[in-house]
Amino acid sequence: GDSVTQMEGPVTLSEEAFLTINCTYTATGYPSLFWYVQYPGEGLQLLLKATKADDKGSNKGFEATYRKETTSFHLEKGSVQVSDSAVYFCALSETGANSKLTFGKGITLSVRP
Amino acid sequence: GAVVSQHPSWVICKSGTSVKIECRSLDFQATTMFWYRQFPKQSLMLMATSNEGSKATYEQGVEKDKFLINHASLTLSTLTVTSAHPEDSSFYICSAKLPGQGYNSPLHFGNGTRLTVT
Repeated sequence: GDSVTQMEGPVTLSEEAFLTINCTYTATGYPSLFWYVQYPGEGLQLLLKATKADDKGSNKGFEATYRKETTSFHLEKGSVQVSDSAVYFCALSETGANSKLTFGKGITLSVRP
Repeated sequence: GAVVSQHPSWVICKSGTSVKIECRSLDFQATTMFWYRQFPKQSLMLMATSNEGSKATYEQGVEKDKFLINHASLTLSTLTVTSAHPEDSSFYICSAKLPGQGYNSPLHFGNGTRLTVT
């Protein structure tokens, strides 16, 4: 079945540091890939997405590129801020009627001033 | 737009009682809603897909008699945890997709409900 693997956390960085959060996936078809973010006390919200190979999703300074050859969708940001502290989930959605989302375990990012 | 409201945000109940969690789409009609369960430091696990006007589709291993899902209208789905036990304590999250959106469209999530069974 489908699965999403995220690097182990938590991750603690200083403000303005470079961020990479690894995500790899296993899927039978051609999924769409997502990064969701969960800020403290809030629900999950979409951060960015990519729907086909070589697509790059970007939002709020974050980027991720859909790499079919390595089945990866790593999240990057050049300079993190304290306000980026949150839990980040990588997810995939296969083609199909109800398009269920399969999530990775999530990783907690803490950014210190 | 695309706001999903979940209520209550937290609830404490005694073992053996039932608890109902509501999920509403405030500014759109959701023919399909999804219920997830999140364990500490673990991923979100899909419990069931709730379809308006029909029976929910449960994932393997989820007890349908314990987790009753009702999707009576296009803007409301409810999850009832029946005869709750401490092991049912968890974070429950609902989500919905805008109508007509395909598999490559994002889900919109409620803020979740923290259930504690004593």
